[in-house]
Amino acid sequence: AQSVAQPEDQVNVAEGNPLTVKCTYSVSGNPYLFWYVQYPNRGLQFLLKYITGDNLVKGSYGFEAEFNKSQTSFHLKKPSALVSDSALYFCAVRDGRGGKLIFGQGTELSVKP
Amino acid sequence: GAVVSQHPSWVICKSGTSVKIECRSLDFQATTMFWYRQFPKQSLMLMATSNEGSKATYEQGVEKDKFLINHASLTLSTLTVTSAHPEDSSFYICSAPKGGEGRNTEAFFGQGTRLTVV
Repeated sequence: AQSVAQPEDQVNVAEGNPLTVKCTYSVSGNPYLFWYVQYPNRGLQFLLKYITGDNLVKGSYGFEAEFNKSQTSFHLKKPSALVSDSALYFCAVRDGRGGKLIFGQGTELSVKP
Repeated sequence: GAVVSQHPSWVICKSGTSVKIECRSLDFQATTMFWYRQFPKQSLMLMATSNEGSKATYEQGVEKDKFLINHASLTLSTLTVTSAHPEDSSFYICSAPKGGEGRNTEAFFGQGTRLTVV
């Protein structure tokens, strides 16, 4: 069965500092991995995805993620955090064909000025 | 990107009544849509897969008679919470994949519906 895990419930970062939100995966076959962001009482917004190709994936709002096959990780990163980046972040893996996603537990990112 | 519209954004209903939530793909067709439930500060739990023209597929533990799903057209799926109880209060989110079943399929999400049962 496909699964992803986000080991941190919360990440606190000072504005301007780099941020990392961690995700590890367990899949059979090729992993199709995603990152989404959710603001309070809103749906999910797509940030980026890894299907194949370069291990460093660049996405929306200056975010990027590094796919590491040996460590089965897909950590989300941003070189310089903004207060407006504060939100709930979800890592997800595609389950089977089509758009069915399995989500991690979510990590709440808090960026303080 | 594609647009998925979910309505209503929030609803308050009395115990025992039914509530219908709509999910529409505005600029693409979706033969499949997904319904998720989210508790506060928790992850999204897949409830069911809505299939256009056929019965929905429910995840284990989800009562299909309580959460009725109808995929009436290629752009509309509805979730009806029947005989709602306070424990049904939650945030419900739909998603629709664009791109069929290929590797580039991407899921687009509605804005969610906050259901409060009093």
